[in-house]
Amino acid sequence: AQKVTQAQTEISVVEKEDVTLDCVYETRDTTYYLFWYKQPPSGELVFLIRRNSFDEQNEISGRYSWNFQKSTSSFNFTITASQVVDSAVYFCALSGSTNTPLVFGKGTRLSVIA
Amino acid sequence: SAVISQKPSRDICQRGTSLTIQCQVDSQVTMMFWYRQQPGQSLTLIATANQGSEATYESGFVIDKFPISRPNLTFSTLTVSNMSPEDSSIYLCSAGTGRMNTEAFFGQGTRLTVV
Repeated sequence: AQKVTQAQTEISVVEKEDVTLDCVYETRDTTYYLFWYKQPPSGELVFLIRRNSFDEQNEISGRYSWNFQKSTSSFNFTITASQVVDSAVYFCALSGSTNTPLVFGKGTRLSVIA
Repeated sequence: SAVISQKPSRDICQRGTSLTIQCQVDSQVTMMFWYRQQPGQSLTLIATANQGSEATYESGFVIDKFPISRPNLTFSTLTVSNMSPEDSSIYLCSAGTGRMNTEAFFGQGTRLTVV
């Protein structure tokens, strides 16, 4: 069975601080996909990134970066120089292949204080 | 990527009534997925809908309570039947085509409040 664990329920940081959101996953599949989403108070899910299990390269997109380590089954998300607009709930998710539903972690609520 | 339109975006309903949520995709998709997100919780898969066959429901969800239609390759509906306050949630749909990244995208969600 697939499982995603986001151990951090809530994180609060002061603006301009860096913050890392942890994600640990479990799967028996050799091919799988990992995702991160942002959910602002409005409720929609904003897609941030998708990685497949064969691509362990870290990725950077502006202030966002992701660290994928198969050895520790982790896919962590770092926001550099956080801003108030980054305040949201962030979900990590996993799927076994394309065309299959996602399994979500419980989410981490990030509050960035001005 | 597929663009997924969902409506209504929100509704307030009386207990005992039913609400049908629509999900429209801008391209043909093989699978459509319906999720529920209860207040303060994560997303839970309700069912998977294939065109031309009955939806497959996850444990804890039944067709009588959450009937799903999938009349063609771009459209699906989820009905929340005989609603109670416990059904107050955000309901989201997504789609899968087998092409890269498609399953990553979701509709805007329907925020349902049952009073």
